[in-house]
Amino acid sequence: QTVVTQEPSFSVSPGGTVTLTCGLSSGSVSTRYYPTWYQQTPGQAPRTLIYNTNTRSSGVPDRFSGSILENKAALTITGAQADDESDYYCVVHMGNGIWVFGGGTKLTVL
Amino acid sequence: QVQLQESGPGLVKPSQTLSLTCTVSGGSISSGGYYWSWIRQPAGKGLEWIGRIYTSGSNYNPSLKSRVTISVDTSKNQFSLKVSSVTAADTAVYYCARSVTGAAGNFDYWGQGTLVTVSS
Repeated sequence: QTVVTQEPSFSVSPGGTVTLTCGLSSGSVSTRYYPTWYQQTPGQAPRTLIYNTNTRSSGVPDRFSGSILENKAALTITGAQADDESDYYCVVHMGNGIWVFGGGTKLTVL
Repeated sequence: QVQLQESGPGLVKPSQTLSLTCTVSGGSISSGGYYWSWIRQPAGKGLEWIGRIYTSGSNYNPSLKSRVTISVDTSKNQFSLKVSSVTAADTAVYYCARSVTGAAGNFDYWGQGTLVTVSS
């Protein structure tokens, strides 16, 4: 079974820019996988940031953006803030109505 | 405003069947154009999509398919999850969530989550 890969951890300085990626153990992520990005803080349900590769969810600041970069889905945070320190998950459509989450990236802002 | 609320036993014995229900308010579960999913998260670990149900069918995570059933009760505006032959590995917070046709990976409404522990 194909595994969805994410960086386990990442750090960014306040005000800096960071790009998190979402790839496949076999193959490339494209828009046909409809990658979606979530932010999760401890004890809370995940919150949608980006869906269908690059559509920002309602109320999400425009410093969050999604794209396809070098065969992976990418989430870029521009001008990182302290409250961006969270876990970030991608989910992709693997066909036949099956969705698979990545393992998540723990983002530290320091 | 759509709201989802999980309910069910918080403790299940190994080899038994885990059963949870998600009650939907603020919208009809029988309305077309929506998917109703179950997602789980073991403590300190990542999210795992379990499966979904919609007006014309259902889909399941292949790794769980043999043990999972998702059903809907439109009269109660609820959908349910059953996981059979549970082990400690099924201990997790279980979430129900909604997504929309055309943005099926966008789980836009979630329940608060319910912790299910598998232990004797």
